[in-house]
Amino acid sequence: AQKITQTQPGMFVQEKEAVTLDCTYDTSDQSYGLFWYKQPSSGEMIFLIYQGSYDEQNATEGRYSLNFQKARKSANLVISASQLGDSAMYFCAMREGTGNQGGKLIFGQGTELSVKP
Amino acid sequence: EAGVAQSPRYKIIEKRQSVAFWCNPISGHATLYWYQQILGQGPKLLIQFQNNGVVDDSQLPKDRFSAERLKGVDSTLKIQPAKLEDSAVYLCASSLARDREDYGYTFGSGTSLTVV
Repeated sequence: AQKITQTQPGMFVQEKEAVTLDCTYDTSDQSYGLFWYKQPSSGEMIFLIYQGSYDEQNATEGRYSLNFQKARKSANLVISASQLGDSAMYFCAMREGTGNQGGKLIFGQGTELSVKP
Repeated sequence: EAGVAQSPRYKIIEKRQSVAFWCNPISGHATLYWYQQILGQGPKLLIQFQNNGVVDDSQLPKDRFSAERLKGVDSTLKIQPAKLEDSAVYLCASSLARDREDYGYTFGSGTSLTVV
């Protein structure tokens, strides 16, 4: 069965510094997708970044980058130049299933990030 | 484009009562998902629809939870009777499932349920 593991329940970072949130995954599929979401206290799930299993380059979206190490089955999120508004829960997720029927997302337990001024 | 709409935003009920949540996905999104997110945990899939058919309901507690998507557009999730452990945020999401590698998942704002 597919599984996502986030081992950091909580993280602190100083404003303007970079931070890495860890994520490891387990799957026997050759084709899969990895996602990071941000969930502020208001509750909505905000999509941050996506990495496909066949993508050779690490995904980047503005201040977010995904450090994808396929052999180690890790997909860590790097946030550069942290801002106070980055304080939130962060979830790593993996898409299970492919094709036109879509695929459900399997989520990790989340990491709560707190940015200090 | 309009996002995924959910209502109500908050609901407080007593145990053994019934409750229903509504979700309207993004227009054109054939796949609709209901997730349960217990405080301090990641979301867990309850049920996945493709148009008006069920693709996966393996983690839906069918003795008390039911869901439908009759016309392949909006969906209703019902709990009857509710238990204390059903207190959670219920998230609805929809996706394209094709044309985009990342499937274009979009989540609603969720319904926060408290069972007392």
